[in-house]
Amino acid sequence: EVQLAESGGGLVQPGGSLRLSCAVSGFNVSDYYISWVRQAPGKGLEWISIVYSGESTFYADSVRGRFIISRDNSKNTIYLQMNSLRADDTALYYCARGYYHILSGSDGFDYWGQGNPVTVSS
Amino acid sequence: DIQMTQSPSSLSASIGDRVTITCRASQGIRNDLGWYQQKPGKAPKRLIYAASSLQSGVPSRFSGGGSGTDFTLTISSLQPEDFATYYCLQHNSHPWTFGQGTKVEIK
Repeated sequence: EVQLAESGGGLVQPGGSLRLSCAVSGFNVSDYYISWVRQAPGKGLEWISIVYSGESTFYADSVRGRFIISRDNSKNTIYLQMNSLRADDTALYYCARGYYHILSGSDGFDYWGQGNPVTVSS
Repeated sequence: DIQMTQSPSSLSASIGDRVTITCRASQGIRNDLGWYQQKPGKAPKRLIYAASSLQSGVPSRFSGGGSGTDFTLTISSLQPEDFATYYCLQHNSHPWTFGQGTKVEIK
């Protein structure tokens, strides 16, 4: 069974750091890309970052330069290092899986974790 | 960056109604678009991929259409379990972007 499980969230002060983890099971993580998507309270979904199987990474403008995504295939885990956190980073953070097809490209997200809350407040 | 304009932002409908939600991309994205359903307190769930392909296990009353810049999600006969918020996602070029969401409520 495919599963993604986020952890590492919590309460942090503005300017602080947190590292989120996305532990996956039921599939070979090295074959898939993994993204982080967040949802501020009462708001819509915001895509923020992706790491492809070939280790390429991309970021939303809102987090570029502050967040770093990485993967450890040996541990079946994806990480999101979040630095210089701000109040507007407060959200539920989801990790999600997708597959890159050589001929047609990325196909979105077929499996999601349940989300992990991050609160940035003094 | 590609902007996704989703409409309407909310709608009220009755059981059995036909409902259509649209997403317009600020530039062409081929068919690199998916539709997701989110219920309160739950993770999103994919309904449609590649603009018009039905995700396995999703009821056939859901359908997607369009290519290029204009896309639709149609629910042919609204059921009680369909009351939720729906989002489109373009994954043609980075940064990927979601539409603002459409909340489908009971009339």
